[in-house]
Amino acid sequence: GENVGLHLPTLSVQEGDNSIINCAYSNSASDYFIWYKQESGKGPQFIIDIRSNMDKRQGQRVTVLLNKTVKHLSLQIAATQPGDSAVYFCAENVDSSYKLIFGSGTRLLVRP
Amino acid sequence: NAGVTQTPKFQVLKTGQSMTLQCAQDMNHEYMSWYRQDPGMGLRLIHYSVGAGITDQGEVPNGYNVSRSTTEDFPLRLLSAAPSQTSVYFCASRLSPSAQPQHFGDGTRLSIL
Repeated sequence: GENVGLHLPTLSVQEGDNSIINCAYSNSASDYFIWYKQESGKGPQFIIDIRSNMDKRQGQRVTVLLNKTVKHLSLQIAATQPGDSAVYFCAENVDSSYKLIFGSGTRLLVRP
Repeated sequence: NAGVTQTPKFQVLKTGQSMTLQCAQDMNHEYMSWYRQDPGMGLRLIHYSVGAGITDQGEVPNGYNVSRSTTEDFPLRLLSAAPSQTSVYFCASRLSPSAQPQHFGDGTRLSIL
């Protein structure tokens, strides 16, 4: 929504550069992780996911890295474009639970 | 293909009023859920449903009721609105409780005066 991101950490990158957005998750029992993109006035949009038995997964211009040792997740966006400007959320799904737990988000600003 | 549809998009209420936020999906998804999103925070789960006739509480259920009489619809009811319930509300669905990813509607922006 319009008020999302008022107090969010912000990453500012030059158009064409690569972006790395980080996320620390809380539960060592989490077995599935997702990255969502949220544009102003819209609901979260699925970008990419990864299961806990993997440490890397690639999509189109995006890569997710998972480090279970330190409970860290990152989203890498190659050749960042103005259309990538949005708030990005990571979410974790804990095994045996039907609940997705969301992080607080990072705002990505792309400078022309 | 409409996906997840939420109505209304905007609503202003007075403290103590009640209302129902509507959510419908046309993907025959078993699992549906409601989240609220407050400034500077991620989405917090209010209630969820793993199928018609089954609902359960999430992280922040107080002040909200849900029902799931059909697969398609999952309305969220505010029984007596409070200013603390001012937020953006998102409905989401996925094929089954264990399936991913989850699809979101575009939200209802609710203000309680």
